[in-house]
Amino acid sequence: GQQVMQIPQYQHVQEGEDFTTYCNSSTTLSNIQWYKQRPGGHPVFLIQLVKSGEVKKQKRLTFQFGEAKKNSSLHITATQTTDVGTYFCAGLRDGTASKLTFGTGTRLQVTL
Amino acid sequence: SAVISQKPSRDICQRGTSLTIQCQVDSQVTMMFWYRQQPGQSLTLIATANQGSEATYESGFVIDKFPISRPNLTFSTLTVSNMSPEDSSIYLCSAQAWASYEQYFGPGTRLTVT
Repeated sequence: GQQVMQIPQYQHVQEGEDFTTYCNSSTTLSNIQWYKQRPGGHPVFLIQLVKSGEVKKQKRLTFQFGEAKKNSSLHITATQTTDVGTYFCAGLRDGTASKLTFGTGTRLQVTL
Repeated sequence: SAVISQKPSRDICQRGTSLTIQCQVDSQVTMMFWYRQQPGQSLTLIATANQGSEATYESGFVIDKFPISRPNLTFSTLTVSNMSPEDSSIYLCSAQAWASYEQYFGPGTRLTVT
């Protein structure tokens, strides 16, 4: 079945440093989404990418969808303690009736 | 966006019993889903709750163990039947927005089976 892997599994940064998580799918995706889950919380939708090579920005967050639509990345510039949490990518395949396959997640810890 | 509530938020149950989790959305949605998440792990899709018809289950999940109802466009239930300690997990429901594939999640139900 489809697999979506993320690296790194965990990253610890000092506040102000940059952070990037990478997402790789075993199959081509029609759509990729990113979610953030704070400790003890539930996943919260961040963004959706649909087009090959698409880049979207939300303040300090930059999201990219690969040209082959099998990988994606999330980059955070100048991390803050409020960025702490686990970031999941989730891929949607054509013909899967809206079912998302969640990536393995990257847990981000930010310290002062 | 949609606001989703789940009941109960947590429960401790004895093995062999069943628990029904309720999921309420504040607006009509197209698709509703049920996930399971072990602490520190990713989300695993259990099933898609279809309005007016039987749920669609993912590999490894069966209706006898996880019966699901969806009587209307804003409500769904998931029952965890004949529970064992391996069923201890967080159960999340989600709803898909109209004209989009983004999903909104409920706060989750933390289930512990002793």
